[in-house]
Amino acid sequence: DIQMTQSPSSLSASVGDRVTITCRASHNINIFLNWYQQKPGKAPKLLIYTVSSLQAAVPSRFSGSGSGTDFTLTISSLQPEDFATYYCQQSFSTPFTFGPGTKVDIK
Amino acid sequence: QVQLVQSGADVKKPGSSVKVSCKASGGTFSNYAINWVRQAPGQGLEWMGRIIPVLGVANYAQRFQGRVTITADKSTTTAHMELSSLTSEDTATYYCATSNCPSGSCHNWFAPWGQGTQVTVSS
Repeated sequence: DIQMTQSPSSLSASVGDRVTITCRASHNINIFLNWYQQKPGKAPKLLIYTVSSLQAAVPSRFSGSGSGTDFTLTISSLQPEDFATYYCQQSFSTPFTFGPGTKVDIK
Repeated sequence: QVQLVQSGADVKKPGSSVKVSCKASGGTFSNYAINWVRQAPGQGLEWMGRIIPVLGVANYAQRFQGRVTITADKSTTTAHMELSSLTSEDTATYYCATSNCPSGSCHNWFAPWGQGTQVTVSS
């Protein structure tokens, strides 16, 4: 199985901050890396697929980059509604595995 | 746009089985796969398996192999996930989520998701 790691596991930030979350895969997954946002008590929501493609209706302050084993999710200017947990997920091979999550909370 | 509605919360005894349903509306049932992902309390997301209804083929994560069965009923556009030999470690919220399968090849990112079904395993 492909193992996914994320860093940091949590971070505190202020509205307007630029936030960067890193995801690393244990094997080369090419561009098959996706990002989700989850708020407490809610289902995850797809933000970005195949590294950098923005899902419909997702604000442009979210962006992704990377390839191979190292990937990044960036929020250019954090908004109040962005406080949540973020997960990366590889879609290169089954079982499709997720990172452990990065919780973004208010400083 | 497809929408997914899942069955309600359930409480099960250890050793029993649970069956969770996921009703799809909108979209074309044949054009996507239904995945099942679970989340234990305070934990991360774990992919359990998927079914491609048009093919009737299911794939399972190795750790659930032999304990999970995913089926799909095209006539009712409903997918089901049955998990057997339950233990307390199966207490979790279970989600279904679609992935598009244009031309027989699936894009394995998940959107949209169902609302989740809480399954509690307790004696």
